[in-house]
Amino acid sequence: KAGVTQTPRYLIKTRGQQVTLSCSPISGHRSVSWYQQTPGQGLQFLFEYFSETQRNKGNFPGRFSGRQFSNSRSEMNVSTLELGDSALYLCASSLAGPGSGANVLTFGAGSRLTVL
Amino acid sequence: TQLLEQSPQFLSIQEGENLTVYCNSSSVFSSLQWYRQEPGEGPVLLVTVVTGGEVKKLKRLTFQFGDARKDSSLHITAAQPGDTGLYLCAGADAGGTSYGKLTFGQGTILTVHP
Repeated sequence: KAGVTQTPRYLIKTRGQQVTLSCSPISGHRSVSWYQQTPGQGLQFLFEYFSETQRNKGNFPGRFSGRQFSNSRSEMNVSTLELGDSALYLCASSLAGPGSGANVLTFGAGSRLTVL
Repeated sequence: TQLLEQSPQFLSIQEGENLTVYCNSSSVFSSLQWYRQEPGEGPVLLVTVVTGGEVKKLKRLTFQFGDARKDSSLHITAAQPGDTGLYLCAGADAGGTSYGKLTFGQGTILTVHP
Protein backbone atom coordinates (compact mmCIF):
# COMPACT_ATOMS: atom_id res chain seq x y z
CA LYS A 1 0.00 0.00 0.00
CA ALA A 2 1.07 3.58 -0.57
CA GLY A 3 3.09 5.21 2.18
CA VAL A 4 2.82 8.68 3.63
CA THR A 5 3.05 11.26 0.85
CA GLN A 6 4.30 14.78 1.46
CA THR A 7 4.28 17.63 -1.01
CA PRO A 8 6.18 19.58 -2.02
CA ARG A 9 9.49 17.81 -1.35
CA TYR A 10 11.56 20.95 -1.65
CA LEU A 11 10.73 24.61 -1.53
CA ILE A 12 12.49 27.92 -1.14
CA LYS A 13 10.81 30.94 0.39
CA THR A 14 11.93 34.37 1.58
CA ARG A 15 11.49 35.88 5.00
CA GLY A 16 7.99 37.14 5.68
CA GLN A 17 6.29 34.79 3.22
CA GLN A 18 4.01 32.00 4.23
CA VAL A 19 4.04 28.35 3.23
CA THR A 20 1.59 25.45 3.18
CA LEU A 21 2.76 21.85 3.30
CA SER A 22 0.57 18.87 2.53
CA CYS A 23 0.48 15.33 3.87
CA SER A 24 -1.52 12.33 2.72
CA PRO A 25 -1.47 9.55 5.34
CA ILE A 26 -1.56 5.85 4.74
CA SER A 27 -5.05 4.74 3.82
CA GLY A 28 -6.98 3.94 6.99
CA HIS A 29 -4.71 5.95 9.27
CA ARG A 30 -6.67 8.63 11.06
CA SER A 31 -3.91 10.19 13.15
CA VAL A 32 -1.46 12.62 11.53
CA SER A 33 1.44 14.25 13.33
CA TRP A 34 3.92 16.87 12.20
CA TYR A 35 7.53 17.23 13.25
CA GLN A 36 10.26 19.74 12.53
CA GLN A 37 13.77 18.37 12.08
CA THR A 38 16.85 20.60 12.25
CA PRO A 39 20.52 19.73 12.81
CA GLY A 40 20.59 21.66 16.07
CA GLN A 41 17.31 20.63 17.68
CA GLY A 42 16.65 17.25 16.12
CA LEU A 43 13.05 16.14 15.70
CA GLN A 44 10.57 18.29 17.54
CA PHE A 45 6.86 17.66 17.75
CA LEU A 46 4.66 20.33 16.18
CA PHE A 47 1.11 19.01 16.47
CA GLU A 48 -1.11 16.04 15.87
CA TYR A 49 -4.58 15.63 14.48
CA PHE A 50 -7.13 12.89 14.85
CA SER A 51 -10.56 12.94 13.25
CA GLU A 52 -10.05 16.56 12.14
CA THR A 53 -9.30 17.70 15.71
CA GLN A 54 -5.98 18.91 17.04
CA ARG A 55 -5.17 16.67 19.98
CA ASN A 56 -1.77 17.93 20.98
CA LYS A 57 0.45 20.89 20.15
CA GLY A 58 4.15 21.27 20.66
CA ASN A 59 6.01 24.31 21.89
CA PHE A 60 5.99 26.35 18.71
CA PRO A 61 4.74 29.89 18.11
CA GLY A 62 1.29 30.58 16.72
CA ARG A 63 2.79 31.15 13.26
CA PHE A 64 2.71 27.38 12.96
CA SER A 65 -0.75 25.99 12.37
CA GLY A 66 -2.34 22.96 10.83
CA ARG A 67 -5.55 21.26 9.99
CA GLN A 68 -6.90 17.88 9.01
CA PHE A 69 -9.59 17.16 6.49
CA SER A 70 -12.36 14.56 6.59
CA ASN A 71 -10.30 12.22 4.40
CA SER A 72 -7.48 12.42 7.01
CA ARG A 73 -5.22 14.43 4.73
CA SER A 74 -3.47 17.19 6.60
CA GLU A 75 -1.85 20.51 5.91
CA MET A 76 0.43 22.67 7.96
CA ASN A 77 0.99 26.35 7.47
CA VAL A 78 3.79 28.61 8.58
CA SER A 79 3.16 32.32 8.30
CA THR A 80 5.65 35.19 8.40
CA LEU A 81 8.59 32.91 7.73
CA GLU A 82 11.85 33.43 9.59
CA LEU A 83 15.32 32.20 8.69
CA GLY A 84 15.15 29.79 11.62
CA ASP A 85 12.16 28.05 10.10
CA SER A 86 14.45 26.40 7.56
CA ALA A 87 14.09 22.72 8.30
CA LEU A 88 12.84 19.36 7.17
CA TYR A 89 9.16 19.10 8.01
CA LEU A 90 8.06 15.53 8.54
CA CYS A 91 4.56 14.20 8.58
CA ALA A 92 3.73 10.87 10.19
CA SER A 93 0.56 8.86 10.25
CA SER A 94 -0.61 6.32 12.75
CA LEU A 95 -3.30 3.69 12.83
CA ALA A 96 -3.60 4.27 16.58
CA GLY A 97 -6.89 5.33 18.06
CA PRO A 98 -8.66 5.24 21.42
CA GLY A 99 -7.59 2.28 23.53
CA SER A 100 -4.75 1.29 21.24
CA GLY A 101 -1.18 0.61 22.28
CA ALA A 102 2.12 2.20 21.41
CA ASN A 103 2.25 5.16 19.06
CA VAL A 104 3.74 3.56 15.98
CA LEU A 105 4.42 6.17 13.35
CA THR A 106 5.04 5.87 9.63
CA PHE A 107 6.87 8.91 8.35
CA GLY A 108 6.82 10.55 4.98
CA ALA A 109 10.02 11.64 3.24
CA GLY A 110 9.50 15.21 4.39
CA SER A 111 9.31 18.67 2.90
CA ARG A 112 12.63 20.50 2.89
CA LEU A 113 11.97 24.21 3.47
CA THR A 114 14.69 26.78 2.94
CA VAL A 115 14.00 30.35 4.02
CA LEU A 116 16.25 33.01 2.50
CA THR B 1 9.02 18.52 29.58
CA GLN B 2 10.32 15.04 28.84
CA LEU B 3 13.83 14.73 27.47
CA LEU B 4 15.69 11.82 25.94
CA GLU B 5 19.46 11.94 26.05
CA GLN B 6 20.96 9.86 23.29
CA SER B 7 24.65 8.96 23.12
CA PRO B 8 26.99 8.98 21.43
CA GLN B 9 26.12 11.65 18.89
CA PHE B 10 28.59 10.33 16.34
CA LEU B 11 30.01 6.86 15.83
CA SER B 12 32.54 5.96 13.16
CA ILE B 13 33.59 2.33 13.09
CA GLN B 14 35.01 -0.35 10.83
CA GLU B 15 32.95 -3.11 9.30
CA GLY B 16 32.67 -6.07 11.67
CA GLU B 17 32.88 -4.07 14.89
CA ASN B 18 30.15 -4.04 17.53
CA LEU B 19 28.52 -0.89 18.88
CA THR B 20 25.95 0.26 21.41
CA VAL B 21 23.80 3.37 21.36
CA TYR B 22 22.18 4.57 24.57
CA CYS B 23 19.00 6.48 25.24
CA ASN B 24 18.36 7.80 28.74
CA SER B 25 15.72 9.87 30.47
CA SER B 26 14.52 10.80 33.94
CA SER B 27 10.96 10.29 32.72
CA VAL B 28 8.98 7.10 32.37
CA PHE B 29 7.71 6.23 28.93
CA SER B 30 4.85 3.92 28.01
CA SER B 31 6.90 2.67 25.09
CA LEU B 32 10.15 3.40 23.39
CA GLN B 33 10.86 3.12 19.72
CA TRP B 34 13.97 3.07 17.59
CA TYR B 35 14.04 4.55 14.13
CA ARG B 36 16.65 4.68 11.40
CA GLN B 37 16.79 7.57 8.97
CA GLU B 38 18.76 7.81 5.75
CA PRO B 39 19.55 11.06 3.92
CA GLY B 40 16.57 12.46 2.05
CA GLU B 41 14.12 10.12 3.74
CA GLY B 42 11.94 10.09 6.80
CA PRO B 43 12.68 7.89 9.83
CA VAL B 44 11.75 4.24 9.48
CA LEU B 45 10.65 2.27 12.53
CA LEU B 46 12.99 -0.53 13.59
CA VAL B 47 11.35 -1.72 16.79
CA THR B 48 8.96 -0.81 19.59
CA VAL B 49 9.60 -1.93 23.16
CA VAL B 50 6.80 -1.69 25.66
CA THR B 51 7.55 -3.79 28.74
CA GLY B 52 10.24 -2.86 31.28
CA GLY B 53 13.19 -5.22 30.89
CA GLU B 54 12.10 -6.27 27.42
CA VAL B 55 14.74 -7.41 24.96
CA LYS B 56 14.04 -7.66 21.24
CA LYS B 57 16.33 -8.95 18.53
CA LEU B 58 16.18 -8.05 14.88
CA LYS B 59 18.91 -9.98 13.06
CA ARG B 60 22.14 -8.31 14.21
CA LEU B 61 20.32 -5.61 16.21
CA THR B 62 19.41 -6.08 19.87
CA PHE B 63 17.12 -3.62 21.63
CA GLN B 64 16.66 -3.39 25.36
CA PHE B 65 14.14 -1.42 27.43
CA GLY B 66 15.19 -0.59 30.98
CA ASP B 67 13.33 -2.12 33.92
CA ALA B 68 12.02 1.29 34.96
CA ARG B 69 11.08 2.17 31.36
CA LYS B 70 13.31 5.25 31.43
CA ASP B 71 16.15 4.07 29.23
CA SER B 72 16.92 1.89 26.27
CA SER B 73 19.87 0.65 24.27
CA LEU B 74 20.51 -0.51 20.74
CA HIS B 75 23.36 -2.95 20.16
CA ILE B 76 24.58 -3.83 16.69
CA THR B 77 26.77 -6.88 16.23
CA ALA B 78 29.25 -7.09 13.37
CA ALA B 79 28.24 -3.78 11.82
CA GLN B 80 28.07 -3.53 8.05
CA PRO B 81 28.29 -0.50 5.74
CA GLY B 82 24.56 -0.88 5.10
CA ASP B 83 23.96 -0.04 8.77
CA THR B 84 25.17 3.51 8.15
CA GLY B 85 22.54 6.10 9.00
CA LEU B 86 20.96 8.23 11.70
CA TYR B 87 19.54 6.21 14.59
CA LEU B 88 16.83 7.83 16.68
CA CYS B 89 15.18 6.75 19.89
CA ALA B 90 11.73 8.07 20.68
CA GLY B 91 9.49 7.75 23.69
CA ALA B 92 5.72 7.88 24.04
CA ASP B 93 4.35 9.62 27.13
CA ALA B 94 3.27 7.31 29.91
CA GLY B 95 -0.42 7.74 30.54
CA GLY B 96 -0.74 10.15 27.64
CA THR B 97 -3.66 10.36 25.26
CA SER B 98 -1.58 11.14 22.24
CA TYR B 99 -1.53 8.87 19.21
CA GLY B 100 1.34 10.54 17.44
CA LYS B 101 3.37 12.57 19.91
CA LEU B 102 6.83 11.20 20.53
CA THR B 103 9.82 12.70 22.29
CA PHE B 104 12.92 12.08 20.21
CA GLY B 105 16.53 11.84 21.22
CA GLN B 106 19.07 13.94 19.34
CA GLY B 107 20.13 10.96 17.26
CA THR B 108 23.31 9.01 16.63
CA ILE B 109 25.00 9.32 13.25
CA LEU B 110 26.59 5.95 12.56
CA THR B 111 29.15 5.50 9.82
CA VAL B 112 30.45 2.02 9.09
CA HIS B 113 33.55 1.95 6.92
CA PRO B 114 34.24 -1.06 4.64
